[in-house]
Amino acid sequence: DGGITQSPKYLFRKEGQNVTLSCEQNLNHDAMYWYRQDPGQGLRLIYYSQIVNDFQKGDIAEGYSVSREKKESFPLTVTSAQKNPTAFYLCASSRETRGRARWIYNEQFFGPGTRLTVL
Amino acid sequence: QKEVEQNSGPLSVPEGAIASLNCTYSDRGSQSFFWYRQYSGKSPELIMFIYSNGDKEDGRFTAQLNKASQYVSLLIRDSQPSDSATYLCAVNILTGNQFYFGTGTSLTVIP
Repeated sequence: DGGITQSPKYLFRKEGQNVTLSCEQNLNHDAMYWYRQDPGQGLRLIYYSQIVNDFQKGDIAEGYSVSREKKESFPLTVTSAQKNPTAFYLCASSRETRGRARWIYNEQFFGPGTRLTVL
Repeated sequence: QKEVEQNSGPLSVPEGAIASLNCTYSDRGSQSFFWYRQYSGKSPELIMFIYSNGDKEDGRFTAQLNKASQYVSLLIRDSQPSDSATYLCAVNILTGNQFYFGTGTSLTVIP
């Protein structure tokens, strides 16, 4: 089955501790993304990567770090510098598709998410 | 200014009625438009996308795009209780390949 997997589903972090959230996809998508979702605030972009060994900061990158050593994997580390990390973390990937009249568009698909709680 | 605006609702419709969800966007460079459904505690699920002006139908769902007025809407016909969820509107700007999301509209279908 093709898809995006995230682990763990639930994660508890102590104050001052770094934790790493896993995201893997076997869809052969080039682009991958990390979002954070807080109640009533929609999705906010943390980091994204268009290609292996390259990534860009999103709107709320402070206190987070990522790597993209393989096309299939885009792990997110929540560092102790992130002061309010309790949230629902969503990983996504997207593919470029050529539609009618050579129109290019991207479809983005999400993993099941990781719920992080700071104790 | 937010890139994508949605009425947060909640929107309530009786079972069998048409639910109408609306979204406006600010960047005229937006090129593709998406509707996601998100059940409580779950991740968003892509249900429709559109990139040409006009209507696009898929089963009970119809997406409508008006680029001149910078709005996109989603119609759900014959609404079912299982349609009760939060619906997220998203736009994609090819340059940079970023997706911008609205905060979502909560829909409740009353049996």
